[in-house]
Amino acid sequence: DSGVTQTPKHLITATGQRVTLRCSPRSGDLSVYWYQQSLDQGLQFLIQYYNGEERAKGNILERFSAQQFPDLHSELNLSSLELGDSALYFCASSVGGLPHTGELFFGEGSRLTVL
Amino acid sequence: DQQVKQNSPSLSVQEGRISILNCDYTNSMFDYFLWYKKYPAEGPTFLISISSIKDKNEDGRFTVFLNKSAKHLSLHIVPSQPGDSAVYFCAASRSNDYKLSFGAGTTVTVRA
Repeated sequence: DSGVTQTPKHLITATGQRVTLRCSPRSGDLSVYWYQQSLDQGLQFLIQYYNGEERAKGNILERFSAQQFPDLHSELNLSSLELGDSALYFCASSVGGLPHTGELFFGEGSRLTVL
Repeated sequence: DQQVKQNSPSLSVQEGRISILNCDYTNSMFDYFLWYKKYPAEGPTFLISISSIKDKNEDGRFTVFLNKSAKHLSLHIVPSQPGDSAVYFCAASRSNDYKLSFGAGTTVTVRA
């Protein structure tokens, strides 16, 4: 158990819909990262928040947005869903703002299926 | 733009033998490299890392080798155990960069 909690674990929805994925980081961790893993692909970095502020953006689509709340939990919002958005979405947390100053702790992921 | 590549999607090895996983990168600015291990239905977990000032880092049965001139790193697992059966991801980052770039992963199967 990494201490990072992601909900829901599985989600099935239709094209055009909107979903919200939630992440609670490990106690004491200030950084939250979101990654997307599509079939047979590596983890693609989407976005990072540090202590409530956006710190870095990766290959995140404009249809996607995220935020980190004062209690440090984070939500990833995916809208106008397309079939290609079907993937495993991982949240990770770390104490510091740089991923290699402390290892990342990953949640179990949220598997999104868009039909 | 896949800056970190793991060209072997799978590896099968007999228990007790050595597992060698390879990873290549294209960005010469990367100076920190990590390996993560992932079991089914779990998130990746950190395994071992190496900075560009070293060419080897060892932790128990796991050793990572870095060849900067070839932009290549490898993970050696000796001896391989059934519990090592998992997907292994190579990742890399630059100093003061906020993201890790991951490879596609190598699935290791350790046969009894």
